[in-house]
Amino acid sequence: GAGVSQTPSNKVTEKGKYVELRCDPISGHTALYWYRQSLGQGPEFLIYFQGTGAADDSGLPNDRFFAVRPEGSVSTLKIQRTERGDSAVYLCASSRSPNTEAFFGQGTRLTVV
Amino acid sequence: DQQVKQNSPSLSVQEGRISILNCDYTNSMFDYFLWYKKYPAEGPTFLISISSIKDKNEDGRFTVFLNKSAKHLSLHIVPSQPGDSAVYFCAASDRGNQGGKLIFGQGTELSVKP
Repeated sequence: GAGVSQTPSNKVTEKGKYVELRCDPISGHTALYWYRQSLGQGPEFLIYFQGTGAADDSGLPNDRFFAVRPEGSVSTLKIQRTERGDSAVYLCASSRSPNTEAFFGQGTRLTVV
Repeated sequence: DQQVKQNSPSLSVQEGRISILNCDYTNSMFDYFLWYKKYPAEGPTFLISISSIKDKNEDGRFTVFLNKSAKHLSLHIVPSQPGDSAVYFCAASDRGNQGGKLIFGQGTELSVKP
């Protein structure tokens, strides 16, 4: 596809479970970002990849959150022992380089019950 | 510590008139600013950007103004159309030190009435 694709679009999980959220960036985009958006707030930065490596993971809230991008394309955000406070829309974005505008996917709405 | 602030949660404008959305920031290291538009259940869509070396950038009906001394930017939409109704986010980055990491404001919901 032409845009950033995120799957699933919705995920409901029980407290304490493990979840994986997937992001397919635009082809050829080397930079990939994860953000989290809570109701009534702007997107909040989580982690940024340049190629395969995490260039900045300062936004990950704690060690339950982890993200990978093993081949420099698809990325997976992993959340262990989910808590109700993790409920939010998780947004992925990609850009051709860190110095160009980022394009967002439609997001994954995560609900922890 | 809210580095990027949009103090108006909502704005209502008549079709055909000008919409002005405002954004303030505190970090003087920010060198690149963007506006995104978001419809419900969709991801943010890039609208327009401006580098800190400029004070104005225009793209069709959208113009962004940057006042570095006041640490303020604004988005002007002229003329406003009902399809412009959405939530608008301003975002800033310190590209020199932090790459493409964006810091977003809280958003302003624009409603354009026919």
